[in-house]
Amino acid sequence: EAQVTQNPRYLITVTGKKLTVTCSQNMNHEYMSWYRQDPGLGLRQIYYSMNVEVTDKGDVPEGYKVSRKEKRNFPLILESPSPNQTSLYFCASSSGASRSPLHFGNGTRLTVT
Amino acid sequence: SQKIEQNSEALNIQEGKTATLTCNYTNYSPAYLQWYRQDPGRGPVFLLLIRENEKEKRKERLKVTFDTTLKQSLFHITASQPADSATYLCALAPRGNQGGKLIFGQGTELSVKP
Repeated sequence: EAQVTQNPRYLITVTGKKLTVTCSQNMNHEYMSWYRQDPGLGLRQIYYSMNVEVTDKGDVPEGYKVSRKEKRNFPLILESPSPNQTSLYFCASSSGASRSPLHFGNGTRLTVT
Repeated sequence: SQKIEQNSEALNIQEGKTATLTCNYTNYSPAYLQWYRQDPGRGPVFLLLIRENEKEKRKERLKVTFDTTLKQSLFHITASQPADSATYLCALAPRGNQGGKLIFGQGTELSVKP
């Protein structure tokens, strides 16, 4: 089954403790992207990757890092999480960036205390 | 400033009626515009994509229009059903960035009553 898998689904952590949210897709998509979703602000793009070893900033990249060493994986790294990064995070992939439908994962709900 | 706006007020309609959702944008010249459905606690699911040179796109009970002069897209669900109740998001791809950016509106919640 074609899917985007994020882990974990839920995560509670403390300020400053480094964490990684994993994202993997099995559709051989070149394009992958991370979004955060907050009430009243909608989905905002954090980072995207057009292909392996190619990443670029979205609209809200501060406090986040990404890497794209393999086509299928696109982890999101929070080196020093802060409470304002408490949010619902979505990973997505597509075969043709914004010209093609995005396939989303089921989300990771992160709480930073 | 650049904005993409959807009606933040929930839309409540009766089963069988046509639901019409609006997406307006400012200071963008999108090459593509997409519509997604999102259920609570789930990731968005793609519905339709329309290109700047297309006026209208249909898929079963769904229809999307794209008016680049008005800077607006309308999303219609005909013969609506309670199962259509969800939040609907529009997203546009601004020119440049090799198509990497996709900007989402805040979404409109649709509730279809039996």
